[in-house]
Amino acid sequence: AQTVTQSQPEMSVQEAETVTLSCTYDTSESDYYLFWYKQPPSRQMILVIRQEAYKQQNATENRFSVNFQKAAKSFSLKISDSQLGDAAMYFCAQSAQGAQKLVFGQGTRLTINP
Amino acid sequence: DAGITQSPRHKVTETGTPVTLRCHQTENHRYMYWYRQDPGHGLRLIHYSYGVKDTDKGEVSDGYSVSRSKTEDFLLTLESATSSQTSVYFCAISDRGGSPLHFGNGTRLTVT
Repeated sequence: AQTVTQSQPEMSVQEAETVTLSCTYDTSESDYYLFWYKQPPSRQMILVIRQEAYKQQNATENRFSVNFQKAAKSFSLKISDSQLGDAAMYFCAQSAQGAQKLVFGQGTRLTINP
Repeated sequence: DAGITQSPRHKVTETGTPVTLRCHQTENHRYMYWYRQDPGHGLRLIHYSYGVKDTDKGEVSDGYSVSRSKTEDFLLTLESATSSQTSVYFCAISDRGGSPLHFGNGTRLTVT
C-alpha cells in the first residue's frame, strides 16, 4: 500500500528567507508521480509542483523547487524568498503509474513571519 | 480554473439523517473523486469514479455511497449521518492517470 508521511506538522520562516518542507513516501511501484499542493485559508487546493519519478531532474516552478531522492523515497519542497502569501497548509501526494488515486500526507502548516 | 462546483458549500445536519453532496464538472474529465479532510489526516479518499456508472472504494468508504449517472455529476451520499462524518469534503477531477487532480472548493459538513 502507498503511504505518504509529512513529519513536520508546523513550520515557520521569516519573510524573504528559504524554508524546506519534508515528505517521505513508500511505494512498491517503480514509476509514479509526486505532487505538492497548497491550501490557503480559503480552503482551495492549489497545485504547486509535480514530479515524474522517471525524470532525474528536480522540478521547479518559480520560487518553488523540489529535492527528489528516489532511492530514499524523499520528496521535499523548497520555497525561496518566502512571501506572506505563501502561508498555508502544504500537502505532499503520490500516485502510482496507471493508478488514478492520489494518496496524501498529513500536511504541514507553514507560517510566514513578517 | 477547472470548472468544478460543489454543493452545498456548508451543511449542518442531525445524526441519523441522510445527506447527499453534489459535485458537478464542466471539463468532461473521466475521473472524479471524493475526499474528506480532517486535522492530522490530510485528505483521505472515500470513493472515486473512472466513468459513468463505474465507481470504486477508497480507504475510508464505510458509511458512504456514490453514484455517477452522467459524466459531469458525481454524488456522495451518507445514508445515515454520524458525528464521525463531520468533515470537509472535497470533490476532484482528472483526465488521465498521473495528471494533477483539480479540486472543488469543498463542503463543510457538520453532523450534530
